Amino acid sequence: DVKVTQSSRYLVKRTGEKVFLECVQDMDHENMFWYRQDPGLGLRLIYFSYDVKMKEKGDIPEGYSVSREKKERFSLILESASTNQTSMYLCASSLSQGAGDTEAFFGQGTRLTVV
Amino acid sequence: QKEVEQDPGPLSVPEGAIVSLNCTYSNSAFQYFMWYRQYSRKGPELLMYTYSSGNKEDGRFTAQVDKSSKYISLFIRDSQPSDSATYLCAMSASATNKLIFGTGTLLAVQP
Repeated sequence: DVKVTQSSRYLVKRTGEKVFLECVQDMDHENMFWYRQDPGLGLRLIYFSYDVKMKEKGDIPEGYSVSREKKERFSLILESASTNQTSMYLCASSLSQGAGDTEAFFGQGTRLTVV
Repeated sequence: QKEVEQDPGPLSVPEGAIVSLNCTYSNSAFQYFMWYRQYSRKGPELLMYTYSSGNKEDGRFTAQVDKSSKYISLFIRDSQPSDSATYLCAMSASATNKLIFGTGTLLAVQP
């Protein structure tokens, strides 16, 4: 059974804190993604990665950075958390485009509250 | 204008009804079309996957893609209370694997 695991289901952090959200997949997928999901706005892409140490900005990268040191792990970093980053964060992974399959598998999500 | 438009609902139907969910898009490069289902407090899970135009059927679910109109649909026959969830359309172009999502439609099937 395919698995994308996010390290925390719920997090509460203070404004200005550095926050790490971790995601691990066990499917040997090349692609990994971080989205945030907000009511009325749907899923918005923050960053994605096609390979180890590769990263590309998505639609809303401001205030975030990412790290992919190993194929199975993709981390999202909030350098200095702000209240407008309170959201549901979803990690996903998929096979490479060359495999002809773009299905993305999602983790359960991390609900982050910044106070 | 958003690349993908989806009516957020909510949509409430009685058990056994036929449900029609739709998305429109503006990017003619999109080739891969997906429907995801998301239950409350869970991550999205893939429901249907279609490449290019045409129909695809899987049990009570049918996905349709009309590329000429830039319009995709998901039909649910004999809807059940367990179908109550948010349905998200998603699509990507062949050149990249970046998925673009609609905002999702909240569906409630009343017993």
